[in-house]
Amino acid sequence: DTGVSQDPRHKITKRGQNVTFRCDPISEHNRLYWYRQTLGQGPEFLTYFQNEAQLEKSRLLSDRFSAERPKGSFSTLEIQRTEQGDSAMYLCASSLEGRSNEQFFGPGTRLTVL
Amino acid sequence: AQKITQTQPGMFVQEKEAVTLDCTYDTSDQSYGLFWYKQPSSGEMIFLIYQGSYDEQNATEGRYSLNFQKARKSANLVISASQLGDSAMYFCAMREVSRYNAGGTSYGKLTFGQGTILTVHP
Repeated sequence: DTGVSQDPRHKITKRGQNVTFRCDPISEHNRLYWYRQTLGQGPEFLTYFQNEAQLEKSRLLSDRFSAERPKGSFSTLEIQRTEQGDSAMYLCASSLEGRSNEQFFGPGTRLTVL
Repeated sequence: AQKITQTQPGMFVQEKEAVTLDCTYDTSDQSYGLFWYKQPSSGEMIFLIYQGSYDEQNATEGRYSLNFQKARKSANLVISASQLGDSAMYFCAMREVSRYNAGGTSYGKLTFGQGTILTVHP
């Protein structure tokens, strides 16, 4: 499978716990995006990486959230001290610089905070 | 700020008929891109079709076509010959120009509408 992959697909955690999600983009894609989608809404942008550099973060990304892409390949999104309001689908997408008409999404990680 | 509006929370269509899903947008940028994605109940966002703001022809991809009316700032999705498998949530999205640097660079950040749930009846 050469598409965007995300792990885990589902995560249930208790309030206050830390969680980490992983995204593996399409192999040659140097652009990587994280979005969050709550029930009944469209996805909202969280952050963007070009290679290993995190170039933009949404104000939705509170200081409890951190994202990394250390080698310019896979990325991780960590949420510390989770809150019930963090319950959402976390979507990762990737694209190739110069191919702005394409952005491919992974299957998402559905987070439930109890 | 860019904004996408999808005014139809839900749409119903008979199998084999055509359906139009509405999308209007608001932007002050001259260069932008418009996308449509399908999201089945499994949750994955499936790319359907793309229209660039400078494209003179309406985009088509198989049974999908995009009715792009730039002056009206609308980018409606037309699905022809609907199939039962087309039942899903559909999102319209716009690629923004980022302002994180002095020049402003379009790197692909998408702004999504609220979505339209399409139900195809047999």
